[in-house]
Amino acid sequence: GNSVTQMEGPVTLSEEAFLTINCTYTATGYPSLFWYVQYPGEGLQLLLKATKADDKGSNKGFEATYRKETTSFHLEKGSVQVSDSAVYFCALRVPNAGKSTFGDGTTLTVKP
Amino acid sequence: DAGITQSPRHKVTETGTPVTLRCHQTENHRYMYWYRQDPGHGLRLIHYSYGVKDTDKGEVSDGYSVSRSKTEDFLLTLESATSSQTSVYFCATRDTTYSNTGELFFGEGSRLTVL
Repeated sequence: GNSVTQMEGPVTLSEEAFLTINCTYTATGYPSLFWYVQYPGEGLQLLLKATKADDKGSNKGFEATYRKETTSFHLEKGSVQVSDSAVYFCALRVPNAGKSTFGDGTTLTVKP
Repeated sequence: DAGITQSPRHKVTETGTPVTLRCHQTENHRYMYWYRQDPGHGLRLIHYSYGVKDTDKGEVSDGYSVSRSKTEDFLLTLESATSSQTSVYFCATRDTTYSNTGELFFGEGSRLTVL
């Protein structure tokens, strides 16, 4: 079956630090890969996505590259802000599948 | 943003009572989903729908039922609530019109407490 493994949290960083949240996956076929973010008290929202190998998704200074050879989709940001404090979920969906598969989420706290 | 409204946003109920959560969307998305979110468990899929009257079970469907009589509404029912169903419930939708790689759009969640 399909699965997503995320770096365990929580992660605490100082403002302007470099962020990496690791995500690896197992899937049949060629999935689309997603990062969702959940701010406190809110629902999840799409942060970025990539639909094929070597694609790079980017948004709000965050980036992730679809690495088929290592089955990974690590999330990075060069300089985090306090406002980036949230829970980050890595997810995949195989084409023509009704369901998505989510990782367990990684809680990021950024301190001033 | 897809217009997704969940109601009620907060509910406290007693063990053994029935509870219905409603998800309403204004985007005409074909797929709709119900998830629950609990500490240490991430997001878990309860049920989903791929069209009017077409539904399927997720990984934690026991104790829950769903109905979808209109494209825009997806109801989640707990026939007899238990304390283990205390959780935050999220509705999500997915558009299949233009892309088969579409992301999910989430509502803001419904916090249910079963005493």
